Amino acid sequence: NAGVTQTPKFQVLKTGQSMTLQCAQDMNHEYMSWYRQDPGMGLRLIHYSVGAGITDQGEVPNGYNVSRSTTEDFPLRLLSAAPSQTSVYFCASSYRGTLSTDTQYFGPGTRLTVL
Amino acid sequence: GQQVMQIPQYQHVQEGEDFTTYCNSSTTLSNIQWYKQRPGGHPVFLIQLVKSGEVKKQKRLTFQFGEAKKNSSLHITATQTTDVGTYFCAGITGGSYIPTFGRGTSLIVHP
Repeated sequence: NAGVTQTPKFQVLKTGQSMTLQCAQDMNHEYMSWYRQDPGMGLRLIHYSVGAGITDQGEVPNGYNVSRSTTEDFPLRLLSAAPSQTSVYFCASSYRGTLSTDTQYFGPGTRLTVL
Repeated sequence: GQQVMQIPQYQHVQEGEDFTTYCNSSTTLSNIQWYKQRPGGHPVFLIQLVKSGEVKKQKRLTFQFGEAKKNSSLHITATQTTDVGTYFCAGITGGSYIPTFGRGTSLIVHP
């Protein structure tokens, strides 16, 4: 198993550009989520999905869109990049537990700089 | 909404000293998870605590879940340079499968 993969690893954008961060998992996990990590701010949830066709907003959703057309893929779209979106983005997945949450598996991250 | 607070933000120790990070939730949790992130890496799952008052050990690491299920701690005995990184707690409330992360504690170990 490759686990959770993310592409690209690094990206530099100009203000106003759009792009898609890719995330894929091969563990048949139902839960997938996107976090951004900024210095001193920990991991903040952007969007999450509890299964194909179902998405919901997290703590900091503004400026981002997601879709979940398959179990495996959960892309994150930046509609019009802003310098405030400079961050490290992590995708994570987990198996849908019954009474408690199972382990979150994180991808290697995408380091995004918006100029 | 649910808030998970973690202290301290940073901790410098000499190799061989002990280290503790504390996590407090504004609401009662159903379970809590701990993750470690090495510099430049991604968070990696360490452990999950579910029961009130639960204590689990992994070699030099001891994890505790409070009796009220609103706080937790991670204690490392005799730190080593390999312990360097940021330790995150993540709390899950009943009915939600998406954890809320604390801001993390960065451990710096001086040889």
